[in-house]
Amino acid sequence: NAGVTQTPKFRVLKTGQSMTLLCAQDMNHEYMYWYRQDPGMGLRLIHYSVGEGTTAKGEVPDGYNVSRLKKQNFLLGLESAAPSQTSVYFCASSYMGSGETQYFGPGTRLLVL
Amino acid sequence: RKEVEQDPGPFNVPEGATVAFNCTYSNSASQSFFWYRQDCRKEPKLLMSVYSSGNEDGRFTAQLNRASQYISLLIRDSKLSDSATYLCVVNIWGGSQGNLIFGKGTKLSVKP
Repeated sequence: NAGVTQTPKFRVLKTGQSMTLLCAQDMNHEYMYWYRQDPGMGLRLIHYSVGEGTTAKGEVPDGYNVSRLKKQNFLLGLESAAPSQTSVYFCASSYMGSGETQYFGPGTRLLVL
Repeated sequence: RKEVEQDPGPFNVPEGATVAFNCTYSNSASQSFFWYRQDCRKEPKLLMSVYSSGNEDGRFTAQLNRASQYISLLIRDSKLSDSATYLCVVNIWGGSQGNLIFGKGTKLSVKP
């Protein structure tokens, strides 16, 4: 039982490049989330999903897209990376939504030059 | 006013000390409250949920004051392994489903 895993662990991009971050969970959770964490800031929600085939915007969605084609996977895409997207990205999942414990992946460190 | 506010610290305490963290939240509709722990360069992990009546888990005690919109975490007999950042987390029912609002965290450093 791996919990929540994220791929890759670390990536360096040049401005304008694209990439996809993969999150996978093996706990059969309905809800999945993408956060970013920046120095001096709390975790901020980018996008989330309440079930397979559904996605919704969080607090800071601009510049990101997501897809949830399979229940266990939640993908975060950057179509044209910008230096402002340099951050640590955490994926999380929960059995249901409000009030439920969220389980986090180990994070992806992204540097955009 | 920020939605969830915490003293950033750092709190530097000796082993065995008792330390308390405070957190205030702005939305009176908030219904669920948590403390998460985040070690350096690691992911956040749930430490404990916070219930209206207050709750205790070993050396850790969490309290909630809805009238003052205030949450606290008390750590007794601090251990070196308690060194981490403690995140106050609030959920608002009726808002974006599953949306947790995270404080910026309070850093604790326990010294020998």
